[in-house]
Amino acid sequence: DTGVSQDPRHKITKRGQNVTFRCDPISEHNRLYWYRQTLGQGPEFLTYFQNEAQLEKSRLLSDRFSAERPKGSFSTLEIQRTEQGDSAMYLCASSLRTVNEQFFGPGTRLTVL
Amino acid sequence: AQTVTQSQPEMSVQEAETVTLSCTYDTSESDYYLFWYKQPPSRQMILVIRQEAYKQQNATENRFSVNFQKAAKSFSLKISDSQLGDAAMYFCAYRSGRGGNEKLTFGTGTRLTIIP
Repeated sequence: DTGVSQDPRHKITKRGQNVTFRCDPISEHNRLYWYRQTLGQGPEFLTYFQNEAQLEKSRLLSDRFSAERPKGSFSTLEIQRTEQGDSAMYLCASSLRTVNEQFFGPGTRLTVL
Repeated sequence: AQTVTQSQPEMSVQEAETVTLSCTYDTSESDYYLFWYKQPPSRQMILVIRQEAYKQQNATENRFSVNFQKAAKSFSLKISDSQLGDAAMYFCAYRSGRGGNEKLTFGTGTRLTIIP
């Protein structure tokens, strides 16, 4: 399968714990995006990378959130001291510079108890 | 900031009939892209169709077509010959044409039900 993959698919954690999600983009895609989708809403942009550089961060990305793409390939999104309001689907997408389409992964569903 | 509005939370259509999903957006930019994405239940989001703002011709992909009205800032999706597999959430999305501003801004979605 050469699509965008995300791991884990589901994560249940207790409030206050740290969690980390991984996204593997389509090979050779130099753009990588993170979105958050809550129930009944459309995805909301969090941040995006061009290669290893983080070019834009949304105001939604509080200090408890950090994203990295160390070698311009896979990316991780870490949430520290999780809160119940962090419960959502976290979507990753990737694209090529010359193509406008973003290809989405299956998402990681986070439940904070 | 750009906004995208989908005023139909839910729509239903008989199988083989035609349905139109509405989307309006607000922007001060002249160069941008518009998309319709489909998100089936428990499955990942896939692109249905896209429209470049500079193109006057409406985009078409098989049974899917758009009615792009730039002056009215309207971008509706028409699905012809609806099939059971078309049942999904449909999201309208906007992307600036300005370099370095590549995030997608989504509407709240329309849930489409296909009635056999």
